[in-house]
Amino acid sequence: ELKVEQNPLFLSMQEGKNYTIYCNYSTTSDRLYWYRQDPGKSLESLFVLLSNGAVKQEGRLMASLDTKARLSTLHITAAVHDLSATYFCAVDIGNSGYALNFGKGTSLLVTP
Amino acid sequence: EAQVTQNPRYLITVTGKKLTVTCSQNMNHEYMSWYRQDPGLGLRQIYYSMNVEVTDKGDVPEGYKVSRKEKRNFPLILESPSPNQTSLYFCASRKGEYYEQYFGPGTRLTVT
Repeated sequence: ELKVEQNPLFLSMQEGKNYTIYCNYSTTSDRLYWYRQDPGKSLESLFVLLSNGAVKQEGRLMASLDTKARLSTLHITAAVHDLSATYFCAVDIGNSGYALNFGKGTSLLVTP
Repeated sequence: EAQVTQNPRYLITVTGKKLTVTCSQNMNHEYMSWYRQDPGLGLRQIYYSMNVEVTDKGDVPEGYKVSRKEKRNFPLILESPSPNQTSLYFCASRKGEYYEQYFGPGTRLTVT
């Protein structure tokens, strides 16, 4: 059974600081996705990582994938309040109609 | 605009009263899924479909039915809703593996 574990699950950080969210998964896969969810809203795709060593960046967020370690990271640089949201990683192992298997999410709060 | 739509967005109903949540996508995607999101449990897949007339159970299918008679539509049916089905439901679609999954806006269901 595939397990997708994120840590931390809750993160409060000050504006301007850097931090990393980790996503570990238990079964071989080279397809990992990051999503953002604002309170009461749907999930918005952030990054699609499709190979070992893949790195994607958008603004203050950078995601990477190490398929050998079965680890993805989401790095936040110089956080701002607008980044407050819940971040999910999801892994695709080709089962269940190619549906994504989600971690439980990291709830991020950026404070002044 | 490429999108996944769901209706209704909010629904309060009583135990045992059959209901249907509709889902439609305009991207000609073959793969569609239903998830439920509950606090502390993350997103869990209910059912998925790989094409017209091809559906299968996800991780938490009990109490739910689906159908896929047209490529664009994938309704979720609760024949006899119970309070433990109170949740936030998301429909999602995907072109295939190696592609991101698009989510609908969500349906918040309360069963009393």
